[in-house]
Amino acid sequence: QSVLTQPPSVSGAPGQRVSISCTGTSSNIGAGYDVQWYKQLPGEAPKLLIYGSTNRPSGSPDRLSGSKSGTSASLFITGLQAEDEADYYCQAFDKILSTQLFGGGTKLTVL
Amino acid sequence: QMQLVESGGGLVKPGGSLRLSCAASGFTFSDYYMTWVRQPPGKGLMWVSYISTTSTYTSYAEYVKGRFTISRDNAKNLVYLQMDSLTPDDTGVYYCARGFSGIGDVHYYFGMDVWGQGTTVTVS
Repeated sequence: QSVLTQPPSVSGAPGQRVSISCTGTSSNIGAGYDVQWYKQLPGEAPKLLIYGSTNRPSGSPDRLSGSKSGTSASLFITGLQAEDEADYYCQAFDKILSTQLFGGGTKLTVL
Repeated sequence: QMQLVESGGGLVKPGGSLRLSCAASGFTFSDYYMTWVRQPPGKGLMWVSYISTTSTYTSYAEYVKGRFTISRDNAKNLVYLQMDSLTPDDTGVYYCARGFSGIGDVHYYFGMDVWGQGTTVTVS
């Protein structure tokens, strides 16, 4: 079980808005450590989507956004498209474990 | 363009060793931390290790500490992962990734923005 908890799956219809949560503890997100989000298509390497909880790297579509509050962070995807169907992972530092952590991953299905 | 290419994966018996390599190109290698991340078959991502720009600082996940060693050669644009005392739990795809950091509201954050295609390690 990951220290950063994500829902195993979420789904949405094309055009809809979905959110993926990443729940941590007082030793990681709750301690103020920012979250990164990655997208992984089957058989491919992960791709950075969001860094510093809310920032999009160049090339990341503006349909994506991130937020952080308390011990949780969220990734939002608006205008859902078929190409968004993938696994999504959050990542942050944990000060007690003194290590980077990944969430368990969330499979997004576009209905 | 920026590229990372891993090599060295394969089939190894429990208790054996393997050394992974990652060749970087298209960016100034010596300016960046480098990391290794693994993914067991059908499972999620697991951070393994990272190394600072001049090799001064290394860090390991608890599940590989004492068995794995990360190193780099800035002259050759290479990062390595020496894996010893391998167990079946070490099976998976190993990704090399470029690390970056920035300052958030409270702390520095660390992420990975360029990834290799991965190399598969099977311990059986």
